[in-house]
Amino acid sequence: KAGVTQTPRYLIKTRGQQVTLSCSPISGHRSVSWYQQTPGQGLQFLFEYFSETQRNKGNFPGRFSGRQFSNSRSEMNVSTLELGDSALYLCASSLSNGQGLTEAFFGQGTRLTVV
Amino acid sequence: DQQVKQNSPSLSVQEGRISILNCDYTNSMFDYFLWYKKYPAEGPTFLISISSIKDKNEDGRFTVFLNKSAKHLSLHIVPSQPGDSAVYFCAATPLAYNTDKLIFGTGTRLQVFP
Repeated sequence: KAGVTQTPRYLIKTRGQQVTLSCSPISGHRSVSWYQQTPGQGLQFLFEYFSETQRNKGNFPGRFSGRQFSNSRSEMNVSTLELGDSALYLCASSLSNGQGLTEAFFGQGTRLTVV
Repeated sequence: DQQVKQNSPSLSVQEGRISILNCDYTNSMFDYFLWYKKYPAEGPTFLISISSIKDKNEDGRFTVFLNKSAKHLSLHIVPSQPGDSAVYFCAATPLAYNTDKLIFGTGTRLQVFP
């Protein structure tokens, strides 16, 4: 069974540009969440999607957005990039079948560097 | 406001001994807790979880203890192995809110030396 796949693995962008990151969840998983990891900040929750609907959102500016497609694949977009957006962006998928406790499985992440 | 806290940024343990990683939380709505292990440039890997209806859960060398009254949980690794050297994150979620959102601590870097 394939794991969570994130593309691209590495990305270098210039301030002011925008970027789109992609995440393919584990087959059958309906929930996709995105996290930002920066040194000293741990993993900060960005947003969560379930059945193409945003179910939850973290405390990030509106420059950060996302969406989920009918096949559960998800994308996140960051517009008007700032130097502080440099981070490891992680996607996690969960079965989320409403029948019990399920853990989140993470992809390897996309390392974004803004210069 | 850091709702999940891991107050020890690092821990060094000799191979074969016990590693104890601690985590505190402030939100009483949290009722499901997870531990993840992370190597550099990789995504976190799920280790073990515990529901608030339990106070202990074991899986091989890993045991998680939950003290709800103290809002404290700990991960015990026995015996510790060099391959356990990684950053360990504690995470929590309120199941009653029908969400998979995880609130993470800032992590503890474990180093297991020979």
